[in-house]
Amino acid sequence: DVKVTQSSRYLVKRTGEKVFLECVQDMDHENMFWYRQDPGLGLRLIYFSYDVKMKEKGDIPEGYSVSREKKERFSLILESASTNQTSMYLCASSLTGNQPQHFGDGTRLSIL
Amino acid sequence: GQNIDQPTEMTATEGAIVQINCTYQTSGFNGLFWYQQHAGEAPTFLSYNVLDGLEEKGRFSSFLSRSKGYSYLLLKELQMKDSASYLCALRDTDKLIFGTGTRLQVFP
Repeated sequence: DVKVTQSSRYLVKRTGEKVFLECVQDMDHENMFWYRQDPGLGLRLIYFSYDVKMKEKGDIPEGYSVSREKKERFSLILESASTNQTSMYLCASSLTGNQPQHFGDGTRLSIL
Repeated sequence: GQNIDQPTEMTATEGAIVQINCTYQTSGFNGLFWYQQHAGEAPTFLSYNVLDGLEEKGRFSSFLSRSKGYSYLLLKELQMKDSASYLCALRDTDKLIFGTGTRLQVFP
């Protein structure tokens, strides 16, 4: 079974802090994704990566950056956290586009 | 661009059958996924349709009509544990575009 592990289940940070969310997958998947999920808005793609050191902007990249130095690890960075970034963050991975994405358990991030 | 439309909420009774619809507009169709998400948990994969017709998987089936831009998820013999959100997602090469999801509540 594919395992996607997110480093924290719950996280509380302060406005202006730099925040790192980590995600690791154990199935040698090429593609990795970061989403945020908000009530009434569904899952929205922030960034994705289809290979090491490659990244593509999703629908809502503003205020975020990502890093993929190794195939199994994909990090999401909030450069200067703001209260409107309070959300559930979900990481996912897939082998190819026609294979299902496998999701981590999510990180519920609160910015105070 | 793409647009996906699903009902926001549905209710049904244990043991019944429920159909959750998803309509979409896209300039190029590459496939449609259905996911289930229980409250506070990660989405889990249910089905993938790329050709027209019905795909059956136990109590769950998914149907696709590409010409009509329409899919549905059919849940039979509903159980209380089927109370969850059901997400329809269009494949766009290697990424997915998700609808806002349908929250299904199953009552005894």
